Amino acid sequence: GAGVSQSPSNKVTEKGKDVELRCDPISGHTALYWYRQSLGQGLEFLIYFQGNSAPDKSGLPSDRFSAERTGGSVSTLTIQRTQQEDSAVYLCASSSRREGSEQYFGPGTRLTVT
Amino acid sequence: AQSVTQLGSHVSVSEGALVLLRCNYSSSVPPYLFWYVQYPNQGLQLLLKYTSAATLVKGINGFEAEFKKSETSFHLTKPSAHMSDAAEYFCAVSAVDDKIIFGKGTRLHILP
Repeated sequence: GAGVSQSPSNKVTEKGKDVELRCDPISGHTALYWYRQSLGQGLEFLIYFQGNSAPDKSGLPSDRFSAERTGGSVSTLTIQRTQQEDSAVYLCASSSRREGSEQYFGPGTRLTVT
Repeated sequence: AQSVTQLGSHVSVSEGALVLLRCNYSSSVPPYLFWYVQYPNQGLQLLLKYTSAATLVKGINGFEAEFKKSETSFHLTKPSAHMSDAAEYFCAVSAVDDKIIFGKGTRLHILP
């Protein structure tokens, strides 16, 4: 079946604008993660959805960042009033609820804030 | 809660030499452990994972890792490095019903 998909693949926006990034997880995967990867940096955890549980938002860097997951499937990460330091690759991953299940990553969205 | 530490943000080895990337974890319950690889300008893909079966886990591209509970380690090794192994490697840990936690990554450089 299809893997994790993300759109757009690239996004250039002006400072101060809002952006929405989309993630389509693998069908049936209950867990969904968002990460940020800046140039030369590791993975920065942003938010974690698991089934119908309240999301773990502990990684969101500011209140400009928010995410939702509709119907337990597609997720949207929204960044309001973008800043230049928000420029990064935003990665989405999903996994099943089976014990020890690995994550499957999407190709990422490269965000550039000018 | 779980955590993972990768020693060395950059590791350089000569082509044909042993690759050793270190990972230590902390977990209050039996962990699941993973190694992921990210080749330049590509996404992350799973190299191998430990899920409480055999302690020596074999993965793709000749890599393997050994779970050592006494040392809380899950180091990644490969007997002979190839130029194509140049990439960033991430160790990760999770437990039942908890999110996966990633280390900060180790960039592997292969010297000709």
